Amino acid sequence: EAGVTQFPSHSVIEKGQTVTLRCDPISGHDNLYWYRRVMGKEIKFLLHFVKESKQDESGMPNNRFLAERTGGTYSTLKVQPAELEDSGVYFCASSQDRFGYTFGSGTRLTVV
Amino acid sequence: EDQVTQSPEALRLQEGESSSLNCSYTVSGLRGLFWYRQDPGKGPEFLFTLYSAGEEKEKERLKATLTKKESFLHITAPKPEDSATYLCAVTGGSTLGRLYFGRGTQLTVWP
Repeated sequence: EAGVTQFPSHSVIEKGQTVTLRCDPISGHDNLYWYRRVMGKEIKFLLHFVKESKQDESGMPNNRFLAERTGGTYSTLKVQPAELEDSGVYFCASSQDRFGYTFGSGTRLTVV
Repeated sequence: EDQVTQSPEALRLQEGESSSLNCSYTVSGLRGLFWYRQDPGKGPEFLFTLYSAGEEKEKERLKATLTKKESFLHITAPKPEDSATYLCAVTGGSTLGRLYFGRGTQLTVWP
């Protein structure tokens, strides 16, 4: 079974630019989550999709972040415009139920 | 807000030297406590889910236990390949499915 795939694995952008992260969940997993780890802090929840619908987006930091999930399959997380404090590792996870998470390897975003 | 505190932040063990990692939590209506292992450059890898106080689970050299306030991850006779960051997370209450993570314990096992 293929795992959760994220790309790019690394991205370095300048402040004010736009970056789009992509996550391909495990096939058949209706639940898709985005999390972020900022240096020195714990991994924090950003949002949760059930199929193509946003179930909970209360963890999104501000309106510079936009997440979409096309047709209930892959998801994108766009940051526009990026700020220095957006730097961190962005993880995607998917599950069939609310407990059996599988995480991707993450995208390390550096904003300079 | 739900919180998870892990201790110690870092732990160095000699191969074969058993020890325990702690995860203290506050969550309204715990539905699940998770232990993950994370290697550098990788995402969290699932180890265990515990659902209720008194529950225990084992996998190779690892054993996880749960009380109403904390969980322990016991490592028996560790090997260098057990070196990793161990993460604890909880879910419960009205935010079922959303995980609250601790900052992790970085374990180093030297030969």
